[in-house]
Amino acid sequence: AQSVSQHNHHVILSEAASLELGCNYSYGGTVNLFWYVQYPGQHLQLLLKYFSGDPLVKGIKGFEAEFIKSKFSFNLRKPSVQWSDTAEYFCAVSTSGTYKYIFGTGTRLKVLA
Amino acid sequence: DGGITQSPKYLFRKEGQNVTLSCEQNLNHDAMYWYRQDPGQGLRLIYYSQIVNDFQKGDIAEGYSVSREKKESFPLTVTSAQKNPTAFYLCATRRRGGEDGYTFGSGTRLTVV
Repeated sequence: AQSVSQHNHHVILSEAASLELGCNYSYGGTVNLFWYVQYPGQHLQLLLKYFSGDPLVKGIKGFEAEFIKSKFSFNLRKPSVQWSDTAEYFCAVSTSGTYKYIFGTGTRLKVLA
Repeated sequence: DGGITQSPKYLFRKEGQNVTLSCEQNLNHDAMYWYRQDPGQGLRLIYYSQIVNDFQKGDIAEGYSVSREKKESFPLTVTSAQKNPTAFYLCATRRRGGEDGYTFGSGTRLTVV
């Protein structure tokens, strides 16, 4: 069965620190990849997505992610976090031809001012 | 304003009672989804529907039922057969083609006492 792993469950950083959140998936075929963010008390919203093309994807609020097919990974990065980045981050995968997303367990990020 | 309305935001029910959660959308999206969010477990797919009058079971459909009589509406019934119904329930939609990713509602927090 397909699965998505997010290895960091809780991350605490100081403002201006760099961020990298890991995401690995298990599926050998073509995938579509997503990062969603859930700010406290708000809807889940799309940060960025990868369907095809350049494996380095840029999203909103200065986030980026790199798809490395050989490692089955889609790690999320931000060079300098802000207090407002405090949220829960979810990686999701859908396989080509399916319509359902499989989500990871999420990573809670806390940024200290 | 286009969007997804989930109501109510908070719901309390006694054990053994069925309860129906509402999800209405005016985005004209074809596909609709129900996910359950539990701490440390991410989002798990309950049911999904790609067109009116058709729906499929997700990974944790036992104890739940749905209907899709209208494109705009995809209600979820949590039955008394669901062993652990207390959770946060999220409805999502997806446009045909799906390259925008999911759009999520604000969720319903169900507490069964």
